[in-house]
Amino acid sequence: GAGVSQSPSNKVTEKGKDVELRCDPISGHTALYWYRQSLGQGLEFLIYFQGNSAPDKSGLPSDRFSAERTGGSVSTLTIQRTQQEDSAVYLCASSSGYRSYEQYFGPGTRLTVT
Amino acid sequence: AQTVTQSQPEMSVQEAETVTLSCTYDTSESDYYLFWYKQPPSRQMILVIRQEAYKQQNATENRFSVNFQKAAKSFSLKISDSQLGDAAMYFCAYRSAFNDMRFGAGTRLTVKP
Repeated sequence: GAGVSQSPSNKVTEKGKDVELRCDPISGHTALYWYRQSLGQGLEFLIYFQGNSAPDKSGLPSDRFSAERTGGSVSTLTIQRTQQEDSAVYLCASSSGYRSYEQYFGPGTRLTVT
Repeated sequence: AQTVTQSQPEMSVQEAETVTLSCTYDTSESDYYLFWYKQPPSRQMILVIRQEAYKQQNATENRFSVNFQKAAKSFSLKISDSQLGDAAMYFCAYRSAFNDMRFGAGTRLTVKP
């Protein structure tokens, strides 16, 4: 079956513009995660959705970052008024349930803010 | 809070040799899972191996095995018979039964022919 997909694969934007990054999880997966990976660094947790529960937003670095998940499937990560420090690879992962422990990752979106 | 530490930013190994990547973690929980993920230049994160904390037996997947020391909170990855395709960033990760995944900073592995 299809894996986790993300679009676009690369995005270049000017400082101050808003961007939207999309994630399509594996069909039937109820849990969805967003991570940020700066150049040469590890993964920084951003936000976690589980079914219809309120998302865990504890990793969002500022109020310029938000995410939603429509219909329990596709998720969009929005960054408003982008800054150069937002440049990174944004990775999405999904898993099959709250207690399921394996996450499946998408290929990521490389965001460059000029 | 749970933290994961990988103390080796870079490692190199000769093809066909064995290399061990280190990982330590900090937690007060008893029920959790540990993982090693591989990230090649393509950026795709690939699960290499997992370990359930309640299992005493070390996990093994072909050439990959772990040394899980629960009391010491250590979870090292051993790669035997290293191949050129093993070159990648390797991330150690921790997940409790209730929390999101926490990742280490990664170890860049170079395999020399």
